[in-house]
Amino acid sequence: GENVEQHPSTLSVQEGDSAVIKCTYSDSASNYFPWYKQELGKRPQLIIDIRSNVGEKKDQRIAVTLNKTAKHFSLHITETQPEDSAVYFCAALSSGAGSYQLTFGKGTKLSVIP
Amino acid sequence: GAGVSQSPRYKVAKRGQDVALRCDPISGHVSLFWYQQALGQGPEFLTYFQNEAQLDKSGLPSDRFFAERPEGSVSTLKIQRTQQEDSAVYLCASSLGPGLGTEAFFGQGTRLTVV
Repeated sequence: GENVEQHPSTLSVQEGDSAVIKCTYSDSASNYFPWYKQELGKRPQLIIDIRSNVGEKKDQRIAVTLNKTAKHFSLHITETQPEDSAVYFCAALSSGAGSYQLTFGKGTKLSVIP
Repeated sequence: GAGVSQSPRYKVAKRGQDVALRCDPISGHVSLFWYQQALGQGPEFLTYFQNEAQLDKSGLPSDRFFAERPEGSVSTLKIQRTQQEDSAVYLCASSLGPGLGTEAFFGQGTRLTVV
């Protein structure tokens, strides 16, 4: 099955700096890669996603890059703000035998220091 | 509905007790996933439904775990003879398509504590 590795597990940045979180996946057939933000005690919420036919996608201060050859994808947050503090999860969607699995990384706890 | 709804939000069960966790997905969503999230960890896949068909249950940790979605909408995750290691947040997610590249919306989760 799919295996998703995520680094770092914790990340502290000064307000206004950039934050980068990296993930690798194992199943070359995976073709959809969402990123979720989870605040303490709340549900995971999608912040950005990318499909395998695209190399980069940007939405305001958030961008995601995908390297299919190397099987890794990254989340970039620029001009970080205190409200960006949360746990971020990457995920990869794989399919087989008519079923689908969205496999998550173990998460990165981002702390933005005012 | 406005989003994915799960109930109860919190459940305390005595060891050995059976529990049932409910998920109301977004109306019309074909795909439904159940996940288990331990404290400080990422969501771990349990099972996947496409309409009423359970197409993948490879993530269910033991035969004490059972999930159903009989009419292709509401789903129930049942855990029999609960054990302390079952303590976790159980998340349900639904998506519009059959799973390929469409956003999965999560419920608030049910926090299960087995004492």
